[in-house]
Amino acid sequence: DSGVTQTPKHLITATGQRVTLRCSPRSGDLSVYWYQQSLDQGLQFLIQYYNGEERAKGNILERFSAQQFPDLHSELNLSSLELGDSALYFCASSTQGGFRLDTQYFGPGTRLTVL
Amino acid sequence: DAKTTQPNSMESNEEEPVHLPCNHSTISGTDYIHWYRQLPSQGPEYVIHGLTSNVNNRMASLAIAEDRKSSTLILHRATLRDAAVYYCILRESGGSNYKLTFGKGTLLTVNP
Repeated sequence: DSGVTQTPKHLITATGQRVTLRCSPRSGDLSVYWYQQSLDQGLQFLIQYYNGEERAKGNILERFSAQQFPDLHSELNLSSLELGDSALYFCASSTQGGFRLDTQYFGPGTRLTVL
Repeated sequence: DAKTTQPNSMESNEEEPVHLPCNHSTISGTDYIHWYRQLPSQGPEYVIHGLTSNVNNRMASLAIAEDRKSSTLILHRATLRDAAVYYCILRESGGSNYKLTFGKGTLLTVNP
């Protein structure tokens, strides 16, 4: 158990819909990262927040957005969903802002299925 | 991002040592070598990291070549629980490298 929690575990929805994925980091961790894992693209970094502010952006679509709240939990919002958005979405947390030795601790993931 | 090359898959027998190789010929002098693994149906988990010297922890050992162009993750006695995809990742110095860049990794199968 990494100490990172994600809800829900599974999500099934239809194309065009909007969903929100939630992540609670390990106690004391200030950084939250979101990754997408699909069969064809592998694990890809989406976005990072540090202490409430966006720190880095990766391959995140404009239809996707995220935020980190004062209690440090984070939400990833996915809108106008397409079939290709079906994937596992992982949240990770770390103590600092991304220093190269900063270990990232991953949650169990949310499996999103878009029908 | 600096690139790593790993075999797609490897097989081992339970209780035998496993050596998982990683090539990183374009590594920079201050890049750290990290290993993560992903067990079936779980998120990735940190295994070990190193810079120049060999490193040991409770999970594994990391042997780094003298020229740093390759490294080997060593599991001293593989168990069925070690069956996973193992990712070798370079973390670059400077800039704003906050993300982990995962390649395809090596799928390790452990036979009973």
